[in-house]
Amino acid sequence: GQNIDQPTEMTATEGAIVQINCTYQTSGFNGLFWYQQHAGEAPTFLSYNVLDGLEEKGRFSSFLSRSKGYSYLLLKELQMKDSASYLCAVRDYTTSGNTPLVFGKGTRLSVIA
Amino acid sequence: GAGVSQSPSNKVTEKGKDVELRCDPISGHTALYWYRQSLGQGLEFLIYFQGNSAPDKSGLPSDRFSAERTGGSVSTLTIQRTQQEDSAVYLCASSLGRTRGEKLFFGSGTQLSVL
Repeated sequence: GQNIDQPTEMTATEGAIVQINCTYQTSGFNGLFWYQQHAGEAPTFLSYNVLDGLEEKGRFSSFLSRSKGYSYLLLKELQMKDSASYLCAVRDYTTSGNTPLVFGKGTRLSVIA
Repeated sequence: GAGVSQSPSNKVTEKGKDVELRCDPISGHTALYWYRQSLGQGLEFLIYFQGNSAPDKSGLPSDRFSAERTGGSVSTLTIQRTQQEDSAVYLCASSLGRTRGEKLFFGSGTQLSVL
């Protein structure tokens, strides 16, 4: 199974940069995902990392270190619409193949003017 | 359909009654997941179907919970003898089921309220 840990809440200012951390423990590792969830809505996919390093996609970047069991999501040029929960999720690896995606409790980000 | 469809969108029931929640995944998606999300909480994994393999039921919280997936498409999550702590949003998601990096597409969820 997995233990996934991320901060419960964060606040940042419009136009600034914010980093949301996620640590995990798995028996195997088959990829790490970040999802965004606005209040009252379904989660939507942001990023996927399976190799160490930084994946950049516009204002959002995601970093992975497998040896440290650590990832972060970096949001640049924050906008008010970025206020949402950010969910870190990990897929385990077993010899029987794909395993279900397990989510952390999420980080609620509030962007203020 | 264009996306994952769940019904009903809202369900209010009395404690002790049984409920059925339905999920229509995206056509061609072989992987289907059920999650539960309580107010202000993260997603709690319930059950996972992948093609014709036996489902992974490791997340089901009690034997009152069960799920079926007929014909590799539509899935039904059944909760028997509902309790107040079952109140939550039940989310269904599907994916192609081919690669480890593929993203999940979520439905809008069923808000279950047990009185």
